[in-house]
Amino acid sequence: EVQLVESGGGLVQPGGSLRLSCAASGFTFSYYDMHWVRQATGKGLEWVSAIGTAGGTNYPGSVKGRFTISRENAKNSLFLQMNSLRVGDTAVYYCARGLSGGSSAFDYWGQGTLVTVSS
Amino acid sequence: SYELTQAPSVSVSPGQTARITCSGDALPKKYAYWYQQKSGQAPVLVIYEDSKRPSGIPERFSGSSSGTMATLTISGAQVEDEADYYCYSTDNSGNHRVFGGGTKLTVL
Repeated sequence: EVQLVESGGGLVQPGGSLRLSCAASGFTFSYYDMHWVRQATGKGLEWVSAIGTAGGTNYPGSVKGRFTISRENAKNSLFLQMNSLRVGDTAVYYCARGLSGGSSAFDYWGQGTLVTVSS
Repeated sequence: SYELTQAPSVSVSPGQTARITCSGDALPKKYAYWYQQKSGQAPVLVIYEDSKRPSGIPERFSGSSSGTMATLTISGAQVEDEADYYCYSTDNSGNHRVFGGGTKLTVL
């Protein structure tokens, strides 16, 4: 059974940093692209970052230069380093597995971890 | 920036057919995907590559795409299908990955 479990969320002040983790199990982690997607309370979904099997990364303009996605295949783990956090980054952050076959989309999602940026 | 447009809400009675649409300029060349999100839960993939249904998704869920519009159809909607539905796709370059704004489906 595919499982994705996020951790590392919490309260941080504007301008601060936070590192999210996602522990994957139930599949061969190194074979799949991985993503982070966020959702502010009462709002829609926003793709935040992607990392390919070879380590290539991609970000939307809203977080580029502030967020860094990484992976450690030996530990079946995905990470998101978030720097220069803003109030607008407050959201539930989901870890998601990329669909096989090179698709840009995602199939399995974790339950999310809440990040609150506030003074 | 690229956008996908969805109606904010759709309402049907149980047993009726619900149609949720998503429009985007790149949809003639890019696949649409559909996610169901029930209150307080993570999203679930219900349709991928315009019209394919993942295992475990009921047959009443189907998808289609024509021109700049993709459609999620729920034939014989059930009360348990009440949820927010999001379409997802990319722009023609494949670099900008976006979700539609979401459609709240009410079945009552």
